[in-house]
Amino acid sequence: DSGVTQTPKHLITATGQRVTLRCSPRSGDLSVYWYQQSLDQGLQFLIQYYNGEERAKGNILERFSAQQFPDLHSELNLSSLELGDSALYFCASSAGTTLTDTQYFGPGTRLTVL
Amino acid sequence: AQTVTQSQPEMSVQEAETVTLSCTYDTSESDYYLFWYKQPPSRQMILVIRQEAYKQQNATENRFSVNFQKAAKSFSLKISDSQLGDAAMYFCAYRSLQDLYGTASKLTFGTGTRLQVTL
Repeated sequence: DSGVTQTPKHLITATGQRVTLRCSPRSGDLSVYWYQQSLDQGLQFLIQYYNGEERAKGNILERFSAQQFPDLHSELNLSSLELGDSALYFCASSAGTTLTDTQYFGPGTRLTVL
Repeated sequence: AQTVTQSQPEMSVQEAETVTLSCTYDTSESDYYLFWYKQPPSRQMILVIRQEAYKQQNATENRFSVNFQKAAKSFSLKISDSQLGDAAMYFCAYRSLQDLYGTASKLTFGTGTRLQVTL
């Protein structure tokens, strides 16, 4: 158990819908990262937050957005869903401030868009 | 931008034998970190081992060790005394030392190597 929690574990929805994925980082970690794992794109970085502020953006679609709340949990919002958005979405957390920083991954949320 | 290449989509090893998974990367940075993550069928991403580029000594964690060749930009993972529980996808990952704000930056992953362990 990495200490990072993600809900829900599985999500099945239809095209055009909107969903919210939730992540709670390990106790004390200030950085949260979102990654998408799909068959055709592999593991790709989406977005990073540090102590409530956006720090880096990767290959995140405009239909996707995220935020980190004062209690440090984070949410990833996916809207106008398409079939190609079906993937495993991981959240990872780290202390964020040390040179030897290591990211610990949550169990992931499997999103299926029908 | 940094890239990570894993040229072996699949590897197979017999139980108790040794296997080496390959990883190469491309970067213009002089300081960075390299990681191997394991993803078993449960899909959980588990950190196996980490290497700091400024350290010449190769990292070791029990049966797992790396061969880090900085000049060649190569970072292979050796698994000794392979066990059935080692069967998984293995991902090599790169991380820059820090981002522009001085905080830890994202991971860039390779495409993974699926390891089968046979009896």
